[in-house]
Amino acid sequence: RKEVEQDPGPFNVPEGATVAFNCTYSNSASQSFFWYRQDCRKEPKLLMSVYSSGNEDGRFTAQLNRASQYISLLIRDSKLSDSATYLCVVITTMDSSYKLIFGSGTRLLVRP
Amino acid sequence: NAGVTQTPKFRVLKTGQSMTLLCAQDMNHEYMYWYRQDPGMGLRLIHYSVGEGTTAKGEVPDGYNVSRLKKQNFLLGLESAAPSQTSVYFCASNRQGVGQPQHFGDGTRLSIL
Repeated sequence: RKEVEQDPGPFNVPEGATVAFNCTYSNSASQSFFWYRQDCRKEPKLLMSVYSSGNEDGRFTAQLNRASQYISLLIRDSKLSDSATYLCVVITTMDSSYKLIFGSGTRLLVRP
Repeated sequence: NAGVTQTPKFRVLKTGQSMTLLCAQDMNHEYMYWYRQDPGMGLRLIHYSVGEGTTAKGEVPDGYNVSRLKKQNFLLGLESAAPSQTSVYFCASNRQGVGQPQHFGDGTRLSIL
């Protein structure tokens, strides 16, 4: 089993739709979580951090479920410009070292 | 303010050749990272550095070496390139620590024949 897993998609949704992605992780000691967005052949860019209590940034909502060991990203009122691959990142601190694992990404296609 | 700059952007090598990828950041960040990204896979951490003069192994360090002689630069070296190292390499940096968001360079596409 991969340490961090994402459904590769693609999720094909119409403009205005609400879409949600999950990212599951295997290490219960993981402490930090992020969502990044990556456009084709471009570098990843931070979308949002994921806080224990959940957090919202405009049309985007991120949540953490520690009991079931997953994080989620909800996108409301999808725009064409939301088409991209969404990568989750899970970070675990172990003694004096770190384990930083990216998911393989979920591809979103928003159609007119 | 250029952010994170990677040099070169593209390179083709022959098996067995060596080369160094340069990552430079002008944000005075303590932490720097080197990743590789292969088709259908997420980014995998090769090596990282928590400060000038320090380096640490990531998930896939074999076949690579790194150096952080200056705070603003993080070099990734391939001593003897292999076709399995064909990939897109991303450098990133941040200020506060590994558990914080990172700023990425725009990548180096490396092909090894």
